[in-house]
Amino acid sequence: QVQLKESGPGLVQPSQTLSLTCTVSGFSLMDYSVHWVRQPPGKGLEWMGRMKYDGDTYYNSALKSRLSISRDTSKSQVFLKMNSLQTEDTAIYYCTRDLLMDAWGQGASVTVSS
Amino acid sequence: DVVLTQTPPTLSATIGQSVSISCRSSQSLLDSDGDTYLNWLLQRPGQSPQLLIYSVSNLESGVPNRFSGSGSETDFTLKISGVEAEDLGVYYCMQATHAPNTFGAGTKLELK
Repeated sequence: QVQLKESGPGLVQPSQTLSLTCTVSGFSLMDYSVHWVRQPPGKGLEWMGRMKYDGDTYYNSALKSRLSISRDTSKSQVFLKMNSLQTEDTAIYYCTRDLLMDAWGQGASVTVSS
Repeated sequence: DVVLTQTPPTLSATIGQSVSISCRSSQSLLDSDGDTYLNWLLQRPGQSPQLLIYSVSNLESGVPNRFSGSGSETDFTLKISGVEAEDLGVYYCMQATHAPNTFGAGTKLELK
């Protein structure tokens, strides 16, 4: 059964760094890419970036200067780090599988506030 | 970046009614490999998005066949033939032909 699960802090202070983990099961990170997508409260979906199955990464140009995605294949985990957080980064952060986005995590709610 | 324009932004329907949602792209979504990476997702209230249709017209496993997708190049349509209560939520089109992936702004389907 394919599953993805996001984890991380619910509250981050402005200007600090957000660190999230996506733990997957039911498939290998060496066979499928994992994407990060976020959704501000009451708004639509924004694609952030992806870790390809071969280890290559690609980022949304609007976030590229602040964003880093990495992985640990032995632990089936993909990591997102984004620095210089502002209030507008408050959102639910999802990880999702593959180009099709055929499986999603339940989302991690992140609030940026002092 | 590719802009996907969805219409209408809100759709009111009765149970059993058939409805359509349009998604227009600022560029052709036909990839050099011959595929067209245009997907449809549904986000029910309080839930994560779920894949309904991939590559324009392919129904994801487990999705009822009242959902269908069509279109090509820059114009795409999602049709629901007989809305059921469980279909309520926000529908998004998403393209993966051109980097970065982009989403439409969404169409909210509600009960009339």
